[in-house]
Amino acid sequence: AAGVIQSPRHLIKEKRETATLKCYPIPRHDTVYWYQQGPGQDPQFLISFYEKMQSDKGSIPDRFSAQQFSDYHSELNMSSLELGDSALYFCASSLVERFGSYNEQFFGPGTRLTVL
Amino acid sequence: AQKVTQAQTEISVVEKEDVTLDCVYETRDTTYYLFWYKQPPSGELVFLIRRNSFDEQNEISGRYSWNFQKSTSSFNFTITASQVVDSAVYFCALSEDNYGQNFVFGPGTRLSVLP
Repeated sequence: AAGVIQSPRHLIKEKRETATLKCYPIPRHDTVYWYQQGPGQDPQFLISFYEKMQSDKGSIPDRFSAQQFSDYHSELNMSSLELGDSALYFCASSLVERFGSYNEQFFGPGTRLTVL
Repeated sequence: AQKVTQAQTEISVVEKEDVTLDCVYETRDTTYYLFWYKQPPSGELVFLIRRNSFDEQNEISGRYSWNFQKSTSSFNFTITASQVVDSAVYFCALSEDNYGQNFVFGPGTRLSVLP
């Protein structure tokens, strides 16, 4: 079965540079979530999108922005990178069935961002 | 606000021992979902189980078992006859939202199974 695809899997950037992470949800899934996991930390929710609209916002820095496109893929844009942005970034997708059962989140393999 | 506590930061056991990972949660909602995820050294998050708040039945899946007790707000995870491949960080997580929002992870427990 198709899974969530994230690209790139590894990314190395310098301080103050920008980075774009991409997430391709499972086909037919309409909701995308982004999480940031710092070294030795648990994943922290950043932001989510449902049907191309932002649905919830967590601890996402103002330097970061994200969007979901018409094909449901999502991109997380990170500007003015700082050393503390080095982390594993997970994307998850789900199919929201508002009158159905729980909407399972399926996680991608993550993108490991290293800021030097 | 919802919160997940995993008091054990690191646990080391010898292969074939049983080990229990503790998870205590806080929520004001009557409907919520609890999860366990495994994160091996390769980094991906592997889904292990989801349990909703109305189902307190314990579950067993091979060497894995889960004990959900609402009275103590706990959702503990036991691995019997542990194996080296069980070495990973295990996260307990809580969601109060049927739409999958407000997904909160605990700090994780690093399990090392020694040969």
